[in-house]
Amino acid sequence: DIQMTQSPSSLSASVGDRVTITCRASQGISNYLAWYQQRPGKVPKLLLYAASTLQSGVPSRFSGSGSGTDFTLTISSLQPEDVATYYCQNYNSAPFTFGPGTKVDIK
Amino acid sequence: EVQLLESGGGLIQPGGSLRLSCAASGFTFSSYAMSWVRQAPGKGLEWVLGISGSGGSTSYADSVKGRFTISRDNSKNTLYLQMNSLRAEDTAVYYCAKGVYSTVSTSLFDHWGQGTLVTVSS
Repeated sequence: DIQMTQSPSSLSASVGDRVTITCRASQGISNYLAWYQQRPGKVPKLLLYAASTLQSGVPSRFSGSGSGTDFTLTISSLQPEDVATYYCQNYNSAPFTFGPGTKVDIK
Repeated sequence: EVQLLESGGGLIQPGGSLRLSCAASGFTFSSYAMSWVRQAPGKGLEWVLGISGSGGSTSYADSVKGRFTISRDNSKNTLYLQMNSLRAEDTAVYYCAKGVYSTVSTSLFDHWGQGTLVTVSS
């Protein structure tokens, strides 16, 4: 099975800061990597897929990159509504594992 | 508007059985794979089972293989999860998630239900 890891596990940043989260797959998954946002008490929401394609309606301050085993999610200018836990997901092959999550809050 | 409404959760004793349902609307149900994803209290997301749009293919996580069964009734636009031999570690919110594709071999989720809580405890 493919294992997904994320770093950091949590971070605190100021409004307007650039935030970067890293996701690593235990083996190559090409670009079959998705990012989800889960705000406190809410349902997960798809942010990006194919490593770098923004889902419809998602603000352009979110971006993604990477291929193979190493991926990043970047928030170019952190906003209060971005307080959430972010999960990466391998959707290349079953089991469709999620990373452990990165909790983002405002300093 | 896509809507997914789970039901059937509750408190169940270890070793017991429970069936969850997910009523779907707002899209052509039979054209999309569906999955169940769970989240234990305070923990991360875990994909557990998926089924193709036609219902002809399924995929399971090892943690539930042999105990849980996923099925769908495309005439009723409803997804099911039959859970048997429940364990304390199955305690979680169970989300119904709509796939982007019809096949279960690539499972990316663009819509999620609100979830239903299953608590396994004596």
